[in-house]
Amino acid sequence: QQQVKQSPQSLIVQKGGIPIINCAYENTAFDYFPWYQQFPGKGPALLIAIRPDVSEKKEGRFTISFNKSAKQFSLHIMDSQPGDSATYFCAASNEAGGTSYGKLTFGQGTILTVHP
Amino acid sequence: KAGVTQTPRYLIKTRGQQVTLSCSPISGHRSVSWYQQTPGQGLQFLFEYFSETQRNKGNFPGRFSGRQFSNSRSEMNVSTLELGDSALYLCASASGDTDTQYFGPGTRLTVL
Repeated sequence: QQQVKQSPQSLIVQKGGIPIINCAYENTAFDYFPWYQQFPGKGPALLIAIRPDVSEKKEGRFTISFNKSAKQFSLHIMDSQPGDSATYFCAASNEAGGTSYGKLTFGQGTILTVHP
Repeated sequence: KAGVTQTPRYLIKTRGQQVTLSCSPISGHRSVSWYQQTPGQGLQFLFEYFSETQRNKGNFPGRFSGRQFSNSRSEMNVSTLELGDSALYLCASASGDTDTQYFGPGTRLTVL
């Protein structure tokens, strides 16, 4: 029940395209859903996060859509650029419950390639 | 504010040895979490420390341990290294009031 399933494993788009990465979770106690971006040789960098009181959150070119009833959330990257080529991870935790104690449960990651 | 720093960045050890990795969190952050990242298993939670106390632990053997100091800096130790311990070890810093975590660059451990 602690799993977060992420798809697709890899994604190739052209510059300007809108890649969409999807995640599904099982644990209904999860209430904090961040996305991380990781470049080779670097640690994951926090991109954007959502809590279930909203269905969508936008920061710059990055948008999270959240569907609580379906237990799914997704990342959309508008006007994608070659510099967005990286690995993207979704994650989840039970923040409000105060029991996560620093534990984020991660999806398996999506390798995004944006061609010029 | 300076970000999360980890030392060393790269480490090569042989089987049976032990290793200590260090993490300095963002100033003011009291929570430090450790994760292991491998191509096969992805990002897996090791443990979390808050105010010098381990509050949470993942499903790793007892060879993996950690501690936190009064200045919030943290160390993790792996004893009796195995080939399968080769991984990127990531430290994440958080205020302790939310689950928003900021990661360091990681320590790449290679066990030969």
